[in-house]
Amino acid sequence: DVKVTQSSRYLVKRTGEKVFLECVQDMDHENMFWYRQDPGLGLRLIYFSYDVKMKEKGDIPEGYSVSREKKERFSLILESASTNQTSMYLCASIENGRGANEKLFFGSGTQLSVL
Amino acid sequence: GNSVTQMEGPVTLSEEAFLTINCTYTATGYPSLFWYVQYPGEGLQLLLKATKADDKGSNKGFEATYRKETTSFHLEKGSVQVSDSAVYFCALSTSGTYKYIFGTGTRLKVLA
Repeated sequence: DVKVTQSSRYLVKRTGEKVFLECVQDMDHENMFWYRQDPGLGLRLIYFSYDVKMKEKGDIPEGYSVSREKKERFSLILESASTNQTSMYLCASIENGRGANEKLFFGSGTQLSVL
Repeated sequence: GNSVTQMEGPVTLSEEAFLTINCTYTATGYPSLFWYVQYPGEGLQLLLKATKADDKGSNKGFEATYRKETTSFHLEKGSVQVSDSAVYFCALSTSGTYKYIFGTGTRLKVLA
């Protein structure tokens, strides 16, 4: 089965720090996503990428950037972390195509606390 | 724009009780509909899906029917187990994009 691996399960950072969240998938999926999950708000899309070096803004891109230099790796960058970015961050991937195989694969998440 | 509305939780049930979690959607065109489940400490995983009207998705005793006339995709299970305790997310996708829209999630707690 597809494995999506996020580099850290828990992360504690200070306000103003630059933070890197890493995600790697092992099934050659074209599309990768970063979501944040907050109680009562569900999952909100930050950025997604449909190919190497390609990216598109999601619904809440402010304060974030992304990098996809290799197909299997999608990084989320918090340029200057703030307390309102304390959240659970989820990475996901999916192959191209619809129908029977349409299925997002998620990592286990990174709980980021910004102090 | 597209949106998903699901019932607020938490939902607390005794083992073997009947479960319904409501989900309604707003979308242009003909979306695909999904239920994802998140067990404690894990990421989301696909539970079931339906890609067209009147389709029924099913998995692990859970079922949901795509109802276009009521724009709904309610999740049901006839007899829940303690191991079903998790957060359940309803979601949709529309053709031409992989921008999935998720509901806010419904926490289910099943007591022995």
